[in-house]
Amino acid sequence: DSGVTQTPKHLITATGQRVTLRCSPRSGDLSVYWYQQSLDQGLQFLIQYYNGEERAKGNILERFSAQQFPDLHSELNLSSLELGDSALYFCASSVESGRGADTQYFGPGTRLTVL
Amino acid sequence: LAKTTQPISMDSYEGQEVNITCSHNNIATNDYITWYQQFPSQGPRFIIQGYKTKVKNEVASLFIPADRKSSTLSLPRVSLSDTAVYYCLVGGDNQGGKLIFGQGTELSVKP
Repeated sequence: DSGVTQTPKHLITATGQRVTLRCSPRSGDLSVYWYQQSLDQGLQFLIQYYNGEERAKGNILERFSAQQFPDLHSELNLSSLELGDSALYFCASSVESGRGADTQYFGPGTRLTVL
Repeated sequence: LAKTTQPISMDSYEGQEVNITCSHNNIATNDYITWYQQFPSQGPRFIIQGYKTKVKNEVASLFIPADRKSSTLSLPRVSLSDTAVYYCLVGGDNQGGKLIFGQGTELSVKP
C-alpha cells in the first residue's frame, strides 16, 4: 500500500459525458501527479500540482483539467469523453516540488471505460 | 529529457539472478536513474534509484558505470512474483516531476 488513494476504482460511462477522478496523496506529500495508461500509449504523464499550483504539464488534452485543493487532494476532470479516453488513470504523490530525484508513490488507479 | 532504451521482454526461471540493462546515452549531469516495477492493473512501484556506481537495497541492486550512459538493475534469486514490467527512468532537478516512461521490460519468471 503506497498511501495514495484513488476513487472510484472503476468508472463506466458513455461518450460525451464528464467524469471526475479523485486522488488523496500520502500524508505530508505536497505534489500530486496524474498519469494515463492505455494499451497503445503506455504510461503518459498528464499534469503535476504542487501545493495547490500547477507545476508541470504533459500531454494533457484540453478536454481534461485538474486541480489541487487546500487539503492537497486532487481531482482530474475529463469531459466530452471519447472511446479513446478509456484507460487506467494513476495518481502519484511525492514530498517535494518535483525534482527528478523525488520518489513518486502511485495509487491503485481508476479504470475508466467509455462506451 | 534523456531517452531510455531497454529490452522489451526477458524470460527467467525461479532462483536465477536477472539483470536488466537500460541505455541512456544522453543522460545529463544532474540526472538520476530510477527504476519502477509495475504489476498488471496496478500503479508503478519504486524499486531503486542511483546517481553513480552501485546502489543496493533489500530488493535490488543498481549498477551504474562511470560514464553513466547505461545502468543495470539486478534482481537476485527471482521468484514468480517478480513477473512484472520494469521501467528505467532518467530525470534531473531541472525537469520538474514528470516521469517519462518508456516501454519498459516485461520480465516473465517461470517455475
